[in-house]
Amino acid sequence: DAGVTQSPTHLIKTRGQHVTLRCSPISGHKSVSWYQQVLGQGPQFIFQYYEKEERGRGNFPDRFSARQFPNYSSELNVNALLLGDSALYLCASSLLQEVPETQYFGPGTRLLVL
Amino acid sequence: QKEVEQNSGPLSVPEGAIASLNCTYSDRGSQSFFWYRQYSGKSPELIMFIYSNGDKEDGRFTAQLNKASQYVSLLIRDSQPSDSATYLCAVRNYKLIFGSGTRLLVRP
Repeated sequence: DAGVTQSPTHLIKTRGQHVTLRCSPISGHKSVSWYQQVLGQGPQFIFQYYEKEERGRGNFPDRFSARQFPNYSSELNVNALLLGDSALYLCASSLLQEVPETQYFGPGTRLLVL
Repeated sequence: QKEVEQNSGPLSVPEGAIASLNCTYSDRGSQSFFWYRQYSGKSPELIMFIYSNGDKEDGRFTAQLNKASQYVSLLIRDSQPSDSATYLCAVRNYKLIFGSGTRLLVRP
């Protein structure tokens, strides 16, 4: 079975630009979560979506937004990029009804903002 | 106080030894606890989870949970050089919160 897939794998942007990252969950998983991981830190929760509805949001500014599509894939959008947005962006999928709910991560998108 | 705390390491152990990785958390309402392994430049990979007090074993890995002390640990028996990675502790209440990870180095 295919795991979580993400695109692109790497991205270079300049300050002020906009970026869109994409994620496809494991087949059968209806929940997608996004995390930001800066160097030397653990992943930090950004959003969780389930059945196209936002289920949770971390402490990130409104420049960050996301959505989930009918096929359960998801996009993360970041506007007005700052140097500090440079990080590994991770998508994770899960089965909400699994006990405990377990997140499986994709390979990530490495974003560099210059 | 950080919500999930881990010693950053590196923790260096010889091949074949037991590696002991520790994690403390602040929210007593936390319900489930996860250990992930992350190789340099890669994404986190689930090792195991635990949600009841006591020990849970899976192959060479044992997770230990003490909710009264708000403490989770991961033991790796017969450590191999391929176990050298950063180990992330994650705690779930209504969201998953990660520690900063402990870097483990297994010396051949």
